[in-house]
Amino acid sequence: EVQLVESGGGLVQPGGSLSLSCAASGFTFSSYEMHWVRQAPGKGLEYVSTISHDGVNIYHANSVKGRFTVSRDNSKNTLYLQMGSLRAEDMALYYCARAYCDSTRCGNDYWGQGTLVTVSS
Amino acid sequence: EIVLTQSPGTLSLSPGERATLSCRASQSVSSRSVAWYQQKPGQAPRLLIYGASSRATGIPDRFSGSGSGTDFTLTISRLEPEDFAVYYCQQYARTFGQGTKVEIK
Repeated sequence: EVQLVESGGGLVQPGGSLSLSCAASGFTFSSYEMHWVRQAPGKGLEYVSTISHDGVNIYHANSVKGRFTVSRDNSKNTLYLQMGSLRAEDMALYYCARAYCDSTRCGNDYWGQGTLVTVSS
Repeated sequence: EIVLTQSPGTLSLSPGERATLSCRASQSVSSRSVAWYQQKPGQAPRLLIYGASSRATGIPDRFSGSGSGTDFTLTISRLEPEDFAVYYCQQYARTFGQGTKVEIK
């Protein structure tokens, strides 16, 4: 059974840093691109970051570029998101999601339950 | 950056009715990259449709997707009580629409 379990969320002051983790199991983690998606309270979904299966290709949304860094450790089956210079607008539930693509279709087929990041003084 | 605009914002329907949700892209996107998700309160999103028209594993056939270029549609042929939720379209790995809430009339 595929499982994605996020951790590391919590309360942080504006300007502070936080590191999120996503522990994966039930599939060959090193074969899949992985994504971070966030959802502010009562709002819609927003892409944050993506990382290729081997960690070579990385994408960050403009809203977090220069402040967040995505990485992975395939030996530990774990995805990371290092967040810095946090702002009130970064407050959200952060999901990790597995990416699936073949020749005709792409989507996020498995999601964790999310970890909540609260930015407040 | 491509913007996805979903309409309507809210759809009020009764069980058994047909739901038609629209997603319009600000420029042409590959059908391969278009997906639809269902999200219920307190739950993570669930993949329904990818590649614009392929149902994900375990998704009932009352859900169907269509479209190409800039206009995509999610259709729920006959609403079941469990289908009342928020639906998002997605351009894979880049952006989501703002969501359509399907509520009980």
